[in-house]
Amino acid sequence: NAGVTQTPKFRVLKTGQSMTLLCAQDMNHEYMYWYRQDPGMGLRLIHYSVGEGTTAKGEVPDGYNVSRLKKQNFLLGLESAAPSQTSVYFCASSQGAGELFFGEGSRLTVL
Amino acid sequence: KNQVEQSPQSLIILEGKNCTLQCNYTVSPFSNLRWYKQDTGRGPVSLTIMTFSENTKSNGRYTATLDADTKQSSLHITASQLSDSASYICVGTPGGYNKLIFGAGTRLAVHP
Repeated sequence: NAGVTQTPKFRVLKTGQSMTLLCAQDMNHEYMYWYRQDPGMGLRLIHYSVGEGTTAKGEVPDGYNVSRLKKQNFLLGLESAAPSQTSVYFCASSQGAGELFFGEGSRLTVL
Repeated sequence: KNQVEQSPQSLIILEGKNCTLQCNYTVSPFSNLRWYKQDTGRGPVSLTIMTFSENTKSNGRYTATLDADTKQSSLHITASQLSDSASYICVGTPGGYNKLIFGAGTRLAVHP
């Protein structure tokens, strides 16, 4: 039982490049989330999904897009990366408003 | 404005000692208060979730308290171990799965 798996774990991009982060969960959770974590700040919600085919904006959605084509997968895309998007990204899942299960994180550096 | 503030920002203790981490929250309407442990380079892991009616909850050597009147929570760690070295994050839930308010965390270092 892997829980929540994120790929890749590390990535370096140049300004303007695009990339996709993949999150997969094997707990059959309905809800999935993407957060970013920056030094000295709490985790901030980027986008979330309450079920297959649905997505919604969180606190800091600008510059990101998401898709939830399959229940177990939640993709986070950066169309044109900026240095301000240098961060550690965490995917999480939950069954309803209960306990969140987090992935191990994806560290992104934008040069 | 919903917010969660944690103190201290960082703390160093010796192995075997106890410590208490503080969390002040302004969350409305209040649903629950959570504590997470985050090891360096890893994702947060849930320690406790407390609702309005719970004022104490334990998870092994971790004991969380909640005072709804003063809007304060604490996390007490008993007989600390080296593996307790981590960041501890307090999270307020004003209601709704998408509305978690995360504190910046307290970084705890346990030295031998």
